[in-house]
Amino acid sequence: SYELTQPPSVSVSPGQTASISCSGDQLGDKYTSWYQQKPGQSPILIIYDDARPSGIPERFSGSNSGNTATLTISGTQALDEADYYCQAWDSTTVVFGGGTKLTVL
Amino acid sequence: QVQLQESGPGLVKPSETVSLTCTVSGGSITRDTFYWSWIRQPAGTGLEWIGRIYASGSTNYNPSLKSRVTISVDTSKNQLSLKLSSVTAADTAVYYCARMDYYYDGSGSRHYYFDYWGQGTLVTVSS
Repeated sequence: SYELTQPPSVSVSPGQTASISCSGDQLGDKYTSWYQQKPGQSPILIIYDDARPSGIPERFSGSNSGNTATLTISGTQALDEADYYCQAWDSTTVVFGGGTKLTVL
Repeated sequence: QVQLQESGPGLVKPSETVSLTCTVSGGSITRDTFYWSWIRQPAGTGLEWIGRIYASGSTNYNPSLKSRVTISVDTSKNQLSLKLSSVTAADTAVYYCARMDYYYDGSGSRHYYFDYWGQGTLVTVSS
């Protein structure tokens, strides 16, 4: 079965750029979506097809090449501290990465 | 604005079947080209996709759960349902329903993502 791998945790200082990776075999061919989940809340979509849904700040961006997709948060703010999940569509199956806890300190 | 609301029993005994319902408001399950999915999340861990259904009744399931899962849709009530049989403690989780939208890539293939999520309902499997 297809798998997506994310680092368990990433730390960033306020105002700096955070990068969260998501790796999988030929992931660049599958396209990747990203979700943010804060404690006690449902996930929300923040990136799909390298685009942002309405209401998602411009500091969130996504890229995808080769075997790795990357979520980039520019000018990270304290309110961006959350769990982030990548997701891809593989044939007829949805696959999620294991999630990355972003700490802003 | 589309809203999804899950409901279920909360507590289920091992080996039983848990039944959950997701009520969709602000949009018709049948009118558009969306799929509707169930996703679960055990406490402190990541997301696991369970399966999806189209208004026509067409389904796809996670291979790891396929033998125990049935997803159905009641178009008259604008609801989708999940039945998970032979539950164990490992099935204890928050269960979400979500709408699946898609986009096309350059080769015309669809790529699906989840644009609306319910608030989730906790299912605890315990005797």
